[in-house]
Amino acid sequence: KAGVTQTPRYLIKTRGQQVTLSCSPISGHRSVSWYQQTPGQGLQFLFEYFSETQRNKGNFPGRFSGRQFSNSRSEMNVSTLELGDSALYLCASSRERGGFYEQYFGPGTRLTVT
Amino acid sequence: DQQVKQNSPSLSVQEGRISILNCDYTNSMFDYFLWYKKYPAEGPTFLISISSIKDKNEDGRFTVFLNKSAKHLSLHIVPSQPGDSAVYFCAASDYNTDKLIFGTGTRLQVFP
Repeated sequence: KAGVTQTPRYLIKTRGQQVTLSCSPISGHRSVSWYQQTPGQGLQFLFEYFSETQRNKGNFPGRFSGRQFSNSRSEMNVSTLELGDSALYLCASSRERGGFYEQYFGPGTRLTVT
Repeated sequence: DQQVKQNSPSLSVQEGRISILNCDYTNSMFDYFLWYKKYPAEGPTFLISISSIKDKNEDGRFTVFLNKSAKHLSLHIVPSQPGDSAVYFCAASDYNTDKLIFGTGTRLQVFP
């Protein structure tokens, strides 16, 4: 069974631009969660999508948004990029909503904002 | 406000000895705790979990202990192997919010 895939793996953007990251969950998984990992902050929860609906949201500004498609693939968008948005963005999928014990992570997208 | 804290950013242990990674939390509503392991350039992988109704869960070389009164959990790895060298994250969730809150991670290095 193929794992969680994320594209692109690396991205360099300039301040003020916007970016879209993509995540393809494991086949059969309906829940996709997004996390931001930065040094010293660990992994911080961004949001969770289940059956195309945002079910849960972390404490991030409205510049961070996402969506999920009918095939469970998910995209995350960050508008008006700031230097502090430089991070590793991880997505994780699970079969059920909030199924953390069966959550599988992708390799992440490393975003650098200059 | 860091609800899940891993106060040791790094730990170095000799191969064959025990590794003990610690994690403290502040939210008494947390009812499920997990440990993830992360190698460079890879996403975290689930290692072991424990429900708040238990105080110990064991899986091979890995044992997680939960002390609810102290709001503390620990991961024991015995015996430690060089392949265990990675960053370990503890995480917690509560039934009401359905969010997974991670600690900042502890980098474990197991040397021969």
